Amino acid sequence: EVQLVESGGGLVQPGGSLKLSCAASGFLFSGSAMHWVRQVSGKGLEWVGRIRNKNNGYATAYAASVKGRFTISRDDSKDTAYLQMNSLKTEDTAVYYCTRTLGFGFDPWGQGTQVTVSS
Amino acid sequence: DIQMTQSPSSLSASVGDRVTISCRASQTIGRYLNWYQQKPGKAPKLLIYAASSLQNGVSSRFSGSGSGTDFTLTISSLQREDFATYYCQQTFSIPNTFGGGTKVEIK
Repeated sequence: EVQLVESGGGLVQPGGSLKLSCAASGFLFSGSAMHWVRQVSGKGLEWVGRIRNKNNGYATAYAASVKGRFTISRDDSKDTAYLQMNSLKTEDTAVYYCTRTLGFGFDPWGQGTQVTVSS
Repeated sequence: DIQMTQSPSSLSASVGDRVTISCRASQTIGRYLNWYQQKPGKAPKLLIYAASSLQNGVSSRFSGSGSGTDFTLTISSLQREDFATYYCQQTFSIPNTFGGGTKVEIK
């Protein structure tokens, strides 16, 4: 079964850091580009960033709202992608999803992990 | 950044109705347009990719059309399990922006 499972969410104070993980199974992780998408409660979907595969130099790209604060990485030996979030703001509070693309749509998606930034 | 505008933002329909949702891109995106369905508390699910290709396992009552800047998602005969929020997304350029969503509710 093709599956993505996020972990690492939780409550963090403004200015703090958190690292999310996304464990993949059931497909060739090393060949896929991996994306992170977030969703504020009751709102729409916001693309956060992506990391491409080795053949594409592990290139990363980020939304303007997180650039310079968030870093996406991957460990192909562990079939896992990561989202390192630093200098967190209250507006970063959201459910964070990881997802895969092979060049077309995003599929599958993980179940999501809640990140709450609050004092 | 490419802006994606969906209309309507919400609609009420009955089981068996034909439903059409529109998505407009702020600049041409070819056919780099995907549609997702999201139910409350669940992750989005890919329905249509490359504007009109049906994702494996998705009901054929869903169809997509369009190219350039104007796209449409059609549900030919609305079923109870189709009541959800639908999002379009462009993957033509970074950032891969989403539309604001269309909530399909029961009339």
